[in-house]
Amino acid sequence: GAGVSQSPRYKVAKRGQDVALRCDPISGHVSLFWYQQALGQGPEFLTYFQNEAQLDKSGLPSDRFFAERPEGSVSTLKIQRTQQEDSAVYLCASSPTTVTDTQYFGPGTRLTVL
Amino acid sequence: GESVGLHLPTLSVQEGDNSIINCAYSNSASDYFIWYKQESGKGPQFIIDIRSNMDKRQGQRVTVLLNKTVKHLSLQIAATQPGDSAVYFCAENNFGNEKLTFGTGTRLTIIP
Repeated sequence: GAGVSQSPRYKVAKRGQDVALRCDPISGHVSLFWYQQALGQGPEFLTYFQNEAQLDKSGLPSDRFFAERPEGSVSTLKIQRTQQEDSAVYLCASSPTTVTDTQYFGPGTRLTVL
Repeated sequence: GESVGLHLPTLSVQEGDNSIINCAYSNSASDYFIWYKQESGKGPQFIIDIRSNMDKRQGQRVTVLLNKTVKHLSLQIAATQPGDSAVYFCAENNFGNEKLTFGTGTRLTIIP
C-alpha cells in the first residue's frame, strides 16, 4: 500500500518568505508527527497530532512554526518569515494507533533558506 | 534533557560479515525502542522494534538486543549486503509520551 508522502520534496525560499509543507499520512493512521532533521543529525520532534487534535507542540522552535491537521488526515507545517537556521529536512511520520506504536516516515521535504 | 546516544559514528564491515551497531540511552522510563535505517535522500525506514519486557527480538537478518540494566541497545545485521550501507538510528519513547527521541546515527559502510 501507499506509504507516507510529502510535498514538495525540495523547497528553496528566500529569507523572510513563508512556506507550507504538506504531509499525506498512511490512510487510516490516527497519529501524525512532524520532525526536523539537520544535516548529519537525527530527527528531532516538532509536533504530534491525534486525529485533528494537536496534542503536543513542545518541539516547535518558535511561534513562526505552525502545524495543522484540520480533518484528521492531511497535515500542513507552515513556517512564517523563514530564517537560514530553518534550513533542514522536515519529516512527517504516521502511526496507526494512539498508543506507543511504530512510526512510518515519509521521504521528507528538504528546505533551503537563502 | 533525556537523550539517546550512539557509541560509534561510523562502521565499515566486509560484505558477508556480521555487523553490530550499539546505542546507549539515558531515560530509564523508556519502554519502547526502534531501529531505523536511513539512506541518502530518504526518510527513516523501520527495521525492528523491541519493548522493555523483552531482551531480544529477531527479524530477517536482524536482531535487536536490549540490556535494561546498563541501558544499552544493539542492532546485529547478519551476512551484510551492499544494500545495508546507510545511517542507522536508534530511537526511544515511553508510554504516554508519543514522540520519539533519536540518537545522532551510525553510518554503516559495506565494503565489497
